[in-house]
Amino acid sequence: GAVVSQHPSWVICKSGTSVKIECRSLDFQATTMFWYRQFPKQSLMLMATSNEGSKATYEQGVEKDKFLINHASLTLSTLTVTSAHPEDSSFYICSALGNSNQPQHFGDGTRLSIL
Amino acid sequence: DAKTTQPNSMESNEEEPVHLPCNHSTISGTDYIHWYRQLPSQGPEYVIHGLTSNVNNRMASLAIAEDRKSSTLILHRATLRDAAVYYCILRGNNNDMRFGAGTRLTVKP
Repeated sequence: GAVVSQHPSWVICKSGTSVKIECRSLDFQATTMFWYRQFPKQSLMLMATSNEGSKATYEQGVEKDKFLINHASLTLSTLTVTSAHPEDSSFYICSALGNSNQPQHFGDGTRLSIL
Repeated sequence: DAKTTQPNSMESNEEEPVHLPCNHSTISGTDYIHWYRQLPSQGPEYVIHGLTSNVNNRMASLAIAEDRKSSTLILHRATLRDAAVYYCILRGNNNDMRFGAGTRLTVKP
């Protein structure tokens, strides 16, 4: 079945550091990728939608200068959390969509801990 | 976006069928009904989806009400590995999906 790989699985870093998370579709071309954030004991919250080759569309309340999204190819999207602070600590999950007749497939998430 | 309503939690015994309900009274004609499940510290896993007709796959069955205002995910024989949070989500033409709180399924041996 379709596989989406997310890297790294977890990262711990100091406050003020910028962290890049990669999301790859391994066996299909993803025209659209989605980024979610999930806090403990809560549901997934959609952060942004990115289409290959164009700027991402951010959900209300998500700072686009804080969470930089790049979708430069049909198999790779990256999320960079810039100048991360402890309140940015969360579980970040990406999903990828090939064509609109198919379901989205999710990565296994990246647990980000900012000290 | 149309929203869904699910019970917070449900329990089942191992090897018994489980019926997970979902209400989506404001569904539009082009919204697909998707079900995903999530294990702790993992991304959601696709289970099944449908538009109007009932659907079956190797994981589950999806029963969709005639008026499409509700649906039921059916696990025919629950196993301990089926314990997860199950999300019922409507996906429209723009393909984005917004997750509700889901149903936490506990399977008792």
